[in-house]
Amino acid sequence: DGGITQSPKYLFRKEGQNVTLSCEQNLNHDAMYWYRQDPGQGLRLIYYSQIVNDFQKGDIAEGYSVSREKKESFPLTVTSAQKNPTAFYLCASSPIRGRTEAFFGQGTRLTVV
Amino acid sequence: KQEVTQIPAALSVPEGENLVLNCSFTDSAIYNLQWFRQDPGKGLTSLLLIQSSQREQTSGRLNASLDKSSGRSTLYIAASQPGDSATYLCAVMDSNYQLIWGAGTKLIIKP
Repeated sequence: DGGITQSPKYLFRKEGQNVTLSCEQNLNHDAMYWYRQDPGQGLRLIYYSQIVNDFQKGDIAEGYSVSREKKESFPLTVTSAQKNPTAFYLCASSPIRGRTEAFFGQGTRLTVV
Repeated sequence: KQEVTQIPAALSVPEGENLVLNCSFTDSAIYNLQWFRQDPGKGLTSLLLIQSSQREQTSGRLNASLDKSSGRSTLYIAASQPGDSATYLCAVMDSNYQLIWGAGTKLIIKP
């Protein structure tokens, strides 16, 4: 079954901790994205990657880091520098960055405790 | 800067009605516009993608239109069903290949 898998579904972070959210796709897509979703707001782009070993900051990259060592994988680390990390995080991919449809994972809900 | 607005934020209609969801954007320089559906606590499912050169797209009971010059898109849902209850999001792909999102319309179909 082709698709995007995010894990875990729920994640709890203590103050000062770094946590990593997983995103894996088997769609052979070049482009991958991380978004943050807060209630009543549109999705906001954190980071995106168009090819392996390359990624670019989105609108709200501060306090986050990513890597793209493999085409299939685009993990997101929420660092202790992110002051308000509680949110719903969505990973997406598309064949190329441009005129094509984006596909989304099921999301990870991160809560600071 | 591109901004996307969806009005209303919430909509409740009886089952069986036809309905229209609205999406407006401020900059007509877009590559495409997508409509998505999101169920509570879940990811997004792409419903329809309209390229900038197209006027509309149809999938089953759904029809999406695009008027670039006026900065508007509508999603028409025919013969609504309780299973259509969800949040509907629109996003435009701007000239930098970035998706710019509306905040969504929460739709409730009453049985």
